[in-house]
Parts: sequence; structure tokens; C-alpha cells
Amino acid sequence: AQTVTQSQPEMSVQEAETVTLSCTYDTSESDYYLFWYKQPPSRQMILVIRQEAYKQQNATENRFSVNFQKAAKSFSLKISDSQLGDAAMYFCAYRRGTTSGTYKYIFGTGTRLKVLA
Amino acid sequence: GAVVSQHPSRVICKSGTSVKIECRSLDFQATTMFWYRQFPKKSLMLMATSNEGSKATYEQGVEKDKFLINHASLTLSTLTVTSAHPEDSSFYICSTGGPRNQPQHFGDGTRLSIL
Repeated sequence: AQTVTQSQPEMSVQEAETVTLSCTYDTSESDYYLFWYKQPPSRQMILVIRQEAYKQQNATENRFSVNFQKAAKSFSLKISDSQLGDAAMYFCAYRRGTTSGTYKYIFGTGTRLKVLA
Repeated sequence: GAVVSQHPSRVICKSGTSVKIECRSLDFQATTMFWYRQFPKKSLMLMATSNEGSKATYEQGVEKDKFLINHASLTLSTLTVTSAHPEDSSFYICSTGGPRNQPQHFGDGTRLSIL
């Protein structure tokens, strides 16, 4: 069975600095998708970035980028120029196929990011 | 704009009451929706997969008779917590299904408090 591990329950970063959140996963599949979601105190789930496993190039969305290491099964999120609004819970998610054809997410346990002014 | 509308956002009710939560896809037809439960400071736990026109698929350990799911149309899925008790208090979130190369779109969640 696939698993997603986020080993950092909490991280802190100074405003304008860079922080990296780690995520590792375990799977026997070769084709899958990985996502990072942000959940602020409002508890909305907001998509931050996604990565297709077949793509070698790391995804980038403005200040957010990933370091995708397929062989190591690692998918870390880098936030550059951190802003106060980045403070939230961050979840790493793996999307797999099931026998029924529906593609469920498997979520990590989350990392709470604090941004210090 | 919002892709998924979830209602109500907050419910407070007495023990023994049944509570219905609605999840609507606004701009597209959703043949599959997912229902999650989230405890404070915890991750999202998938409860069930809602399939339009057929029975929901429940995850292991989730009581089917307790959490009734109906997906009668391509734009609406409902979760009914039957005879709710304080231990059912939680945050419930729905999301759309779809091709695996597309991210899920989440509703804003429902905070359920059973007194």
C-alpha cells in the first residue's frame, strides 16, 4: 500500500527567508501524481503545486517550487521569500489509481508552518 | 471562483439529531466525490467515495449506516450523519473526483458540533 510521510510536524521561517518542507512516499507504481496543499486557519484546502511523476522537470509556481526525486521517492516543497500569509498547515498528497478507477488521494500528516515577522 | 460549494459551513445540534451536509459541484459534472473527516490538527481521513447513480464506497472502519451518502445527480452529493453523538463532532470536507492528472477541488468544509 502507498504511504506518504511528512516528518516535520512544525516548521518556522523568518519572513522573506526560504523554507523547505519535506515529504517522502512509498509506492510500487511508476505513474502517479503528487500535490502540495495549503490549509490556512480558515481550513480551506488550497492547491499549491502539483507534479507529474513522468516529468523530470521540477514544478514551479511563483515562490513555490518542488524538488522531486523519483528514485528516492522524495517530494519536498520550497517556499521562497516567505510571507506572513504563507502560515498554514501544508499537506503532501499522492494520487493513485484504484481498481474501481477512482483516483483517491493519500495525504501525509501535515506540517504546520509558522512565519515570523 | 469556487468550484465546489459545501453547505452548511457550521452546524451545532443536539445528540440524536441527524445532520445533512451538501456538496455541490458548480461548473462541471462530478461523477465522483470524496468525503473526508478531519480531527483538530490532524490530516484528512477519507471516509467514502461517492459515485453518481450507485452506492458509495466506504473506507475500512467507517460505518455505512452512520454516515449515509447519496449522490443522486451529477452536481450534488450529500452526507448525512445519522443519530449524531458528541464523538461525531468533527470537520467534514468534500472534494471532487476526476482524472488523476487533475487535482481535487475541495469544498470549504463543515464544522459539526454535537452537544
